[in-house]
Order: sequence, then structure tokens, then C-alpha cells
Amino acid sequence: GENVEQHPSTLSVQEGDSAVIKCTYSDSASNYFPWYKQELGKGPQLIIDIRSNVGEKKDQRIAVTLNKTAKHFSLHITETQPEDSAVYFCAASLNNFNKFYFGSGTKLNVKP
Amino acid sequence: GAGVSQSPRYKVAKRGQDVALRCDPISGHVSLFWYQQALGQGPEFLTYFQNEAQLDKSGLPSDRFFAERPEGSVSTLKIQRTQQEDSAVYLCASSFDVGMMGGYTFGSGTRLTVV
Repeated sequence: GENVEQHPSTLSVQEGDSAVIKCTYSDSASNYFPWYKQELGKGPQLIIDIRSNVGEKKDQRIAVTLNKTAKHFSLHITETQPEDSAVYFCAASLNNFNKFYFGSGTKLNVKP
Repeated sequence: GAGVSQSPRYKVAKRGQDVALRCDPISGHVSLFWYQQALGQGPEFLTYFQNEAQLDKSGLPSDRFFAERPEGSVSTLKIQRTQQEDSAVYLCASSFDVGMMGGYTFGSGTRLTVV
């Protein structure tokens, strides 16, 4: 099955700085890559996603890049704010979207 | 409802007890998923329903785990003879249809602690 690895496990940045989280996947058939934000005591919430026919996607301060050849994808958050502090998960899915393989998570701390 | 509702929010079970965890998906959502999230880890897939049909149960860790969705709406995840390794947050998610990219909505989960 698919194996998704995520780095770093913790990330601490100053407010206003950028944050980058990286993931790799093993199954070249994976073609959908969502990113989730999970706050304490809550379920994961989708923040951005990308399909394998696209190299980059941006939504305001958040962007995701995908390198299919190298089988890695990254989340970029610019102008970080304290409310961005949470655990972020990457995931990969095959064609049918009915099973996601998640990374182990990155705890982002944005210091005011 | 407005979101995916899970109950109870917290459950403490003695080892060997049976437990039942409930998920109320968003009204009209066809697909329903269960995931297990161990402390400090990402969610791991357990099982998937399309309406009342359980189409994939490949992630269920053992035959002690059983899930059902008899009328295609509310789902129950049952764990028999709980063990300490079953301690985790159990997340339910729903989506309007199969293949709805980005359409997953997760509930807040049930935290199960087996003592």
C-alpha cells in the first residue's frame, strides 16, 4: 500500500515568517494530495488540495507544490499568524478518493 | 445537521469490555468513513461505506472491530473485548458522493481510553 512520510515533526516560526512542510509518497499511482489542519480536540479540516495533473496551487497565504517525478509535495504558509498554530497532516489518495493515507503530522507553533 | 456529529466524545472502557461509537454524518452524504488516530500520529483508514454497503473494510485491525450503517445514514463502530492498544481517537468523516475531491468532512472524534 501507499506510505506517506512527513517532515518536520515540529516547526516553530516567528509571526510573519514562512513555514514549509514536506511530504513524500511511495505509490506512483496516487493522484490526489490534500492537506489538513487539526486543532486540539477537533477533527482534521481540509485547507488545500492538489491533483497530480497540476504542479502548484495557491489559496491566499497557503500554497501546495507537487513533484510527481520525485514523488514529493509541500505545503507553504506565508505571513504566518498565531492562529496558524496547529497540527498539519498531508495525505495521498488513489483514483477513487475513498481511502486516504496520512503522514504523521507536523506541529506548527507560530510565536507572536 | 451542520457537521459530522460523533458520540460519545470520550469513552473509558475496562479491558475486555465492548464499546459502541456512533457517527451522525451530514444529512444527504452518501459516503462515510472511519479512521483511527493514535496519539501523535496521523489518522489511519479503518472502513468505508457507500450508503448502507460496506465497500472496504481492509483497515479494520482485527475481527474484534465491526462497523455498520444499516439505513445508510447513522453508523456505529463496535469494538469487542477492548484491549489497551485500541486506545485512540476514532474519527468519522462523510462526503456527498464518491469521488468528491475535497468533500471529506471529519467529525471531532471519540477518544477511547482502555484501562
